[in-house]
Amino acid sequence: AQKVTQAQTEISVVEKEDVTLDCVYETRDTTYYLFWYKQPPSGELVFLIRRNSFDEQNEISGRYSWNFQKSTSSFNFTITASQVVDSAVYFCALSEAGRRALTFGSGTRLQVQP
Amino acid sequence: DTGVSQDPRHKITKRGQNVTFRCDPISEHNRLYWYRQTLGQGPEFLTYFQNEAQLEKSRLLSDRFSAERPKGSFSTLEIQRTEQGDSAMYLCASSSRGKNTEAFFGQGTRLTVV
Repeated sequence: AQKVTQAQTEISVVEKEDVTLDCVYETRDTTYYLFWYKQPPSGELVFLIRRNSFDEQNEISGRYSWNFQKSTSSFNFTITASQVVDSAVYFCALSEAGRRALTFGSGTRLQVQP
Repeated sequence: DTGVSQDPRHKITKRGQNVTFRCDPISEHNRLYWYRQTLGQGPEFLTYFQNEAQLEKSRLLSDRFSAERPKGSFSTLEIQRTEQGDSAMYLCASSSRGKNTEAFFGQGTRLTVV
């Protein structure tokens, strides 16, 4: 069975600090896909990134970066120089090849204080 | 508006009543998903359509729940004989063809059963 664990329930930082959100996953499949979504107070889930299990290259997009390590089954998300607008709940999710359903973690609430 | 649209945004109903929600996916997307999200948790998968075919259903989808996508475009989710435990945010998402492509979510329908 697949499982996603986001051990950090809530993180509070001051603007301009860097912050890393942890994600650990479990799956028996060798082919799978990992995702991060942002859920701002408005409630709509916003897609951030998709990564397949064969691509372990780290990715950077502006202030966002992702570190995928198969050896530790982790897919961590770092926000550099955080801003108040980054305040949201962030979800990590997993889907196995051949299944379309996403399994989500319980989310990490990020509060960025001005 | 080219995003996923859900209607209504909020629904308050009395226990035992039936409710129906509608989802209009992104027009070129052939895959449509329903998820349920309770407070403080990540979304949980309910069901998945590819075009008009319902290809996967979660065990969470009891026999009081039924979903349809009659022409492969919009979808409806009906809950019969609602219970207080059905109170949640019901999220619809859609995705395009391809392997485990990212899903784009609507703003959800918040159901409150009183």
